[in-house]
Amino acid sequence: DIQMTQSPSSLSASVGDRVTITCRASQGISSYLNWYQQKPGKAPKVLIYIASNLQSGVPSRFSGGGSGTDFTLTISSLQPEDFATYYCQQTYSTPTTFGQGTRLEIK
Amino acid sequence: EVQLVESGGGLVQPGGSLRLSCAASGFTFSDHYMDWVRQAPGKGLEWVGRSRDKANTYTTEYAASVKGRFTISRDDSKNSLYLQMNSLETEDTAVYYCARGWRVRGVIAAFDIWGQGTLVTVSS
Repeated sequence: DIQMTQSPSSLSASVGDRVTITCRASQGISSYLNWYQQKPGKAPKVLIYIASNLQSGVPSRFSGGGSGTDFTLTISSLQPEDFATYYCQQTYSTPTTFGQGTRLEIK
Repeated sequence: EVQLVESGGGLVQPGGSLRLSCAASGFTFSDHYMDWVRQAPGKGLEWVGRSRDKANTYTTEYAASVKGRFTISRDDSKNSLYLQMNSLETEDTAVYYCARGWRVRGVIAAFDIWGQGTLVTVSS
């Protein structure tokens, strides 16, 4: 199975900050990398698919990049509603696997 | 409105069984791969298994952790997905989500629709 490692595991930031979360795959996954946002008690929501494509309805302050084994999720200017946990997911091979999550907290 | 609604969760003893359901609406269910994903309390997301679509003869795949104990099925006439869980272990305690596989450029790229989840607690 492909292992997905996110960093950092947690992050404190302020409204208006620019933040970047990274995700590394244990082997090359081309661009088959997605980013999800999850708020407490809610289901995950896809933000970015196939590494850099913004899901419909997701604010443009979210962006994704990378290919192969190293990927990033960047939020250009944090808003109060962005404080949540973020997961990366590879869909290059079955089983699909997720990173351990990055908890984004208010500083 | 495109929607998935899970049901059937609850408290079960170790070694017991439970059947979860996922009711779909707002889209052509038979055209889609459907997956189960679980999340143990305070933990991350873990893929459980998949039911492929009608065009792929509804074949299934499972995570190693549940293979041989869990069975995924579907009834397209009822727009429903099921997860039969047998020989339950305390480690199976989690919120179980059904999710729709989203085909982009011919491959299942992501899960674009998720249900609200149903909690399964395995405890004596």
